[in-house]
Amino acid sequence: DGGITQSPKYLFRKEGQNVTLSCEQNLNHDAMYWYRQDPGQGLRLIYYSQIVNDFQKGDIAEGYSVSREKKESFPLTVTSAQKNPTAFYLCASSIWGQQETQYFGPGTRLLVL
Amino acid sequence: AQSVAQPEDQVNVAEGNPLTVKCTYSVSGNPYLFWYVQYPNRGLQFLLKYITGDNLVKGSYGFEAEFNKSQTSFHLKKPSALVSDSALYFCAVRDFPNSNSGYALNFGKGTSLLVTP
Repeated sequence: DGGITQSPKYLFRKEGQNVTLSCEQNLNHDAMYWYRQDPGQGLRLIYYSQIVNDFQKGDIAEGYSVSREKKESFPLTVTSAQKNPTAFYLCASSIWGQQETQYFGPGTRLLVL
Repeated sequence: AQSVAQPEDQVNVAEGNPLTVKCTYSVSGNPYLFWYVQYPNRGLQFLLKYITGDNLVKGSYGFEAEFNKSQTSFHLKKPSALVSDSALYFCAVRDFPNSNSGYALNFGKGTSLLVTP
């Protein structure tokens, strides 16, 4: 988990509320990723960003939004349009390249009240 | 399209015995294969990767993996299991980048390893 921080560790969302998950890295990596983990389903890609001010939708982007204003930061907003947000959210970063290893943060568990 | 299969939801091993966690892959080009481990309520930790070269890859904590192109497999192995190896293990693959995923990894569903004393 070293070099990538995620906060908060636990987050509670009320119905109709938008919530934002923080992800910060000090590894000087260009690329950052958000994955969602559900039991028995592995990890699924929500969004990724190759460089600052650029990001692309992944496989399950509906109901989520991101921004990449700084190289170090890639916050994820879970909007009210996401009807099933309860999951474990993992942020990762890497050097941009096919051979490069992705490194993960400790994760944020989102629960719905 | 790229995909990864981990055929076993759970693997049980006695401490001191060798362990194997299986992974098979399907990619359109040359595969780049990764293994990660996850402890409860934690992020994923990188164990090892295969890019090219020697088919036997050595990684962290005494783990190794063997790339077999003919069987499209990349099984994770350890000669002597420890109770502390008990965790969730993920195999992942990456081939050519595309606009939908960039260089994101495609993960298997994970295999839970339980090592008993």
